[in-house]
Amino acid sequence: RKEVEQDPGPFNVPEGATVAFNCTYSNSASQSFFWYRQDCRKEPKLLMSVYSSGNEDGRFTAQLNRASQYISLLIRDSKLSDSATYLCVVNEGTALIFGKGTTLSVSS
Amino acid sequence: EPEVTQTPSHQVTQMGQEVILRCVPISNHLYFYWYRQILGQKVEFLVSFYNNEISEKSEIFDDQFSVERPDGSNFTLKIRSTKLEDSAMYFCAVTGQENSGANVLTFGAGSRLTVL
Repeated sequence: RKEVEQDPGPFNVPEGATVAFNCTYSNSASQSFFWYRQDCRKEPKLLMSVYSSGNEDGRFTAQLNRASQYISLLIRDSKLSDSATYLCVVNEGTALIFGKGTTLSVSS
Repeated sequence: EPEVTQTPSHQVTQMGQEVILRCVPISNHLYFYWYRQILGQKVEFLVSFYNNEISEKSEIFDDQFSVERPDGSNFTLKIRSTKLEDSAMYFCAVTGQENSGANVLTFGAGSRLTVL
């Protein structure tokens, strides 16, 4: 099975900082891309889908580079509540394959 | 009310025992999934289920695992003879409501399995 790779972190940033996470995937046939958020001992929850043209949802911006098989997530003006693990997710057939996640800790 | 309800929330069992984990999605969905997450590790795909049969399965999903949706409502994962390494959080997920082309996964809160 193909892999999804992420820098595990942790990223420790102060409130208000801008932070970027990267992800690479190995299956060039993948068509669907997502960022999920997982809080400690909770289920993953969809943060945002990632579209080819890039997309923004409030303070969050996702980018996709199909040629490099690279996905990014940018968080602006970090809040304490953004502290979580961010999971890069890529489809392989009907299955969604998860990266191990990047941990973000935002401090006051 | 959550979109996906899983029971039990936590189960402790002895090695070699059979375990059944249950999932009840609230509305009409097309695809059903089981994922697991060993503590501190990544979320791993086990199996996808569509139209009352397995659509895909991973190498983890060996002969000790089975899934079924017997009554069109409950979606179950059975582990026939549990091993210590089966201890993990098991997540049920659904996607693809009728009339929707999206393949966004919605997860249940998970069932924590502890094998002693």
